[in-house]
Amino acid sequence: AQKVTQAQTEISVVEKEDVTLDCVYETRDTTYYLFWYKQPPSGELVFLIRRNSFDEQNEISGRYSWNFQKSTSSFNFTITASQVVDSAVYFCALSDPSNTGKLIFGQGTTLQVKP
Amino acid sequence: EAGVTQFPSHSVIEKGQTVTLRCDPISGHDNLYWYRRVMGKEIKFLLHFVKESKQDESGMPNNRFLAERTGGTYSTLKVQPAELEDSGVYFCASSQDRLRQQFFGPGTRLTVL
Repeated sequence: AQKVTQAQTEISVVEKEDVTLDCVYETRDTTYYLFWYKQPPSGELVFLIRRNSFDEQNEISGRYSWNFQKSTSSFNFTITASQVVDSAVYFCALSDPSNTGKLIFGQGTTLQVKP
Repeated sequence: EAGVTQFPSHSVIEKGQTVTLRCDPISGHDNLYWYRRVMGKEIKFLLHFVKESKQDESGMPNNRFLAERTGGTYSTLKVQPAELEDSGVYFCASSQDRLRQQFFGPGTRLTVL
């Protein structure tokens, strides 16, 4: 069965600190996609990144970076120099494109960045 | 381009009543998904449409939930009769195809008293 685990329920940091959100997944499929979504206080889910299972290159986008390691089935997300606007719930998700593309989400990590 | 919209944003009903949630996907997106997040838990898949056809409804909790997508445009999710455990946030998402990213709506917060 497919499963995504985000062990950190809540994280609180002070502005400008770096923070890493952990994501561990389980799947028997060889082809899959991993995602991160952000849910700000306004409620909508905002797409951040999609990574396919054959691409283990790390990715950096501004202050955001992602570390994908198949050996440990992890897809961690780091925010460098956090800002108050980064406060949100962050969801990691796994998709199986051979089926319907439905997303399997982790429980989410609530990040609070204090000024 | 308009994003995914959902109506209503909030709904408070009493146990036993009926509620219908609506989702308007991004124009041209054949794939439409419904998800639900119960308080503090993970977001769970409910079902998937391709145009007007249900492709996967394995996540639907029980037969009190009925989803439709007549004409392959907007979709409705009806809960009848609503129970206390149906409370949560119902998200709709759409995508051009199942390999592409899904765009989510703002969700409908349903409270059953």
